[in-house]
Amino acid sequence: TQLLEQSPQFLSIQEGENLTVYCNSSSVFSSLQWYRQEPGEGPVLLVTVVTGGEVKKLKRLTFQFGDARKDSSLHITAAQPGDTGLYLCAGEVGDYKLSFGAGTTVTVRA
Amino acid sequence: DSGVTQTPKHLITATGQRVTLRCSPRSGDLSVYWYQQSLDQGLQFLIQYYNGEERAKGNILERFSAQQFPDLHSELNLSSLELGDSALYFCASSFTDRVPFFGQGTRLTVV
Repeated sequence: TQLLEQSPQFLSIQEGENLTVYCNSSSVFSSLQWYRQEPGEGPVLLVTVVTGGEVKKLKRLTFQFGDARKDSSLHITAAQPGDTGLYLCAGEVGDYKLSFGAGTTVTVRA
Repeated sequence: DSGVTQTPKHLITATGQRVTLRCSPRSGDLSVYWYQQSLDQGLQFLIQYYNGEERAKGNILERFSAQQFPDLHSELNLSSLELGDSALYFCASSFTDRVPFFGQGTRLTVV
């Protein structure tokens, strides 16, 4: 069982549409990270959220940390083919260990 | 480019063999982490070193070991390899904020 549950597992949308990826847990995290990974590459850090209720924007990407710091969401507005990739959330579970969700594979069709 | 360098990029070896994966962290980073990514297990934390000392241990098999050298580079040694060890192995590094930056990985194929 994953400590962090991501949904949906797969998402395929048309260019220009919006999408939301969710990351949920029963545990409280001091911080939560979102990464994007392309095939054959390492995960690339997108954002870190720290404060409950925090909202961070990165161009067309909006990240939200739940008030209770147990969940997070990633919303992409007007998705582009370059947004295609595996989106991973990760939370620190103490002792410097990051626990990753299984990821959401996003495909944006041109 | 994250600044974390891993070698080799690809490795093919036979069952029962031993391999060493190498990682150079970003300049100034003291922490090095090793992760394994397979299709069925996702990204799994293996072990972390901080300034040469083991800091945290995850789901690392006894057949696997790692170390961090005085120049801060790290090596992950995998021995008695099995088919199930085939995976992507990632090294990541961080300074003090604990958010790791990942290298491009080593793809290990055990045949």
